[in-house]
Amino acid sequence: QQQVKQSPQSLIVQKGGISIINCAYENTAFDYFPWYQQFPGKGPALLIAIRPDVSEKKEGRFTISFNKSAKQFSLHIMDSQPGDSATYFCAASIGETSGSRLTFGEGTQLTVNP
Amino acid sequence: EAGVAQSPRYKIIEKRQSVAFWCNPISGHATLYWYQQILGQGPKLLIQFQNNGVVDDSQLPKDRFSAERLKGVDSTLKIQPAKLEDSAVYLCASSLVNRAGKGYTFGSGTRLTVV
Repeated sequence: QQQVKQSPQSLIVQKGGISIINCAYENTAFDYFPWYQQFPGKGPALLIAIRPDVSEKKEGRFTISFNKSAKQFSLHIMDSQPGDSATYFCAASIGETSGSRLTFGEGTQLTVNP
Repeated sequence: EAGVAQSPRYKIIEKRQSVAFWCNPISGHATLYWYQQILGQGPKLLIQFQNNGVVDDSQLPKDRFSAERLKGVDSTLKIQPAKLEDSAVYLCASSLVNRAGKGYTFGSGTRLTVV
């Protein structure tokens, strides 16, 4: 079965620090890698996404780093804020343009202390 | 634009009872998905519709779960009979045709507790 493995399971950082969440995938057919942010009682919301033809994508304080040869990608949250406290999921799909299923990682619960 | 609407927000039932969830996708979104999110895990796709046709139901436990999408708009997901392990949040999502990117929007989900 297609899998996406995510670590760590939980992460605590101080305000202003850098939060780093890692994911690894197995299926080389995956070609779209989004990150989702989920607050309690809400559905996941798309945060940032990358395709494997680039090694890095930055949007504000959020950066995805992608290593195609290692089949790994990571989310970096710079200047972490208490409002970033949420559960983060990496995901992967085959073909952004095919509307195919998203395969999610297990999630990382991030707590940013003030 | 209005988001993906789901109801009810919470449901508690006894095992072996039946339950149904409703989803109204974003207007114009042809693709609709039902995901199951067990506590502490990532969402897992149960079924995907394109308009009112099923695209992928390979992970739907068809002996107890069923889903339909009437007229290519609203959808219902039913469980009959429910088991304890069905306790989870059931998320509905919708997207524009053939886009898994920015147009992929999740509802807030229905939290099911089976006792």
